[in-house]
Amino acid sequence: QKEVEQDPGPLSVPEGAIVSLNCTYSNSAFQYFMWYRQYSRKGPELLMYTYSSGNKEDGRFTAQVDKSSKYISLFIRDSQPSDSATYLCAMQGNSGGYQKVTFGIGTKLQVIP
Amino acid sequence: DGGITQSPKYLFRKEGQNVTLSCEQNLNHDAMYWYRQDPGQGLRLIYYSQIVNDFQKGDIAEGYSVSREKKESFPLTVTSAQKNPTAFYLCASSMAGGVVRGGLFFGPGTRLTVL
Repeated sequence: QKEVEQDPGPLSVPEGAIVSLNCTYSNSAFQYFMWYRQYSRKGPELLMYTYSSGNKEDGRFTAQVDKSSKYISLFIRDSQPSDSATYLCAMQGNSGGYQKVTFGIGTKLQVIP
Repeated sequence: DGGITQSPKYLFRKEGQNVTLSCEQNLNHDAMYWYRQDPGQGLRLIYYSQIVNDFQKGDIAEGYSVSREKKESFPLTVTSAQKNPTAFYLCASSMAGGVVRGGLFFGPGTRLTVL
């Protein structure tokens, strides 16, 4: 079983829809949770960064963490064609004295005009 | 503008050759990382360095080597021992103490193809 599970999609939605992206994890040592957006043939860019369970909002983006269920989500409101990208979840925890980051495989999102 | 640069953007290698991928950052970050990205496998850590003149193996270090002689630079050499080097290589950096406070910052990547 992978430490981080993420559905690769692809996920196609019409412009203006609410998008829900999710990851589950198995390692209880994960303490920090991140979402990255990666456009085709580009490096990932950090979207959201959270530490505790609960919600964090930034514009059209909301990150949600449920540590009891080991489940994290990213919601995108009023989705735009420019949101079409691959979204990677990432989690950080202590591994042998090093703060290791483990990534999901990414969900490919397409927002159709 | 602060950021991470990687060069070249595209690299072609013949079998049996060593190649070196460049990574430079001007973010004043102490820690730097190399990841490999393959379709369907996500990002896998090759090497990381938390301080100058020190680096550690990641999950898939075999066939790769690195150096960290300067804070700003963390080049990756893909040796002929790496059996399947064709991939997208990403360099990243973070503030000291791991990725607490802000996460990883990534460069634009180098796509390596073995001919």
